[in-house]
Amino acid sequence: KNEVEQSPQNLTAQEGEFITINCSYSVGISALHWLQQHPGGGIVSLFMLSSGKKKHGRLIATINIQEKHSSLHITASHPRDSAVYICAASDMDSNYQLIWGAGTKLIIKP
Amino acid sequence: GAVVSQHPSRVICKSGTSVKIECRSLDFQATTMFWYRQFPKQSLMLMATSNEGSKATYEQGVEKDKFLINHASLTLSTLTVTSAHPEDSSFYICSALAGGPQETQYFGPGTRLLVL
Repeated sequence: KNEVEQSPQNLTAQEGEFITINCSYSVGISALHWLQQHPGGGIVSLFMLSSGKKKHGRLIATINIQEKHSSLHITASHPRDSAVYICAASDMDSNYQLIWGAGTKLIIKP
Repeated sequence: GAVVSQHPSRVICKSGTSVKIECRSLDFQATTMFWYRQFPKQSLMLMATSNEGSKATYEQGVEKDKFLINHASLTLSTLTVTSAHPEDSSFYICSALAGGPQETQYFGPGTRLLVL
């Protein structure tokens, strides 16, 4: 069993839909990261969470430490949101090494 | 916010040559940097942990003589792929650990290596 699991693996939606991507982890973490990777590979860090909720534009990330679960939401989705979204847990027991989820490939159709 | 840069962003090289990738923390000091690689359509995998002033710690299965890591200063770590082969073609990403209560980690944008 992977220590960080994401779902769904693939998600296709229509423009304007509300998107939710989930991430569950089994390790003790100091923080959880959400990253966006576009075709071609470039990675952009979206959020780093250790508790609660953060919002940036149309993106919202939440984390529930007790349940070891985080979600990334996209409101009013747009085709330019199409990318792979990756969650990664910073493992406090392993010198803060990141344990990566497999990623969620999101396609937003116009 | 803190920025981590990688150079080059893309590199194409011939088989048998060596390629150096730099990872710099631009406005903070990082005693620890991590190197990851990502094969097409796969998740990122930790290659090694780079600690300033000491030898890097490599993950199982990563050849230390092939992937040379040097963390000579608190703002620079380098990864050298020696005698590159086509199977080394991959996406390499570094991250730098900033100090403070949360041990915040910042990511470089990645380097795409293509070995012909």
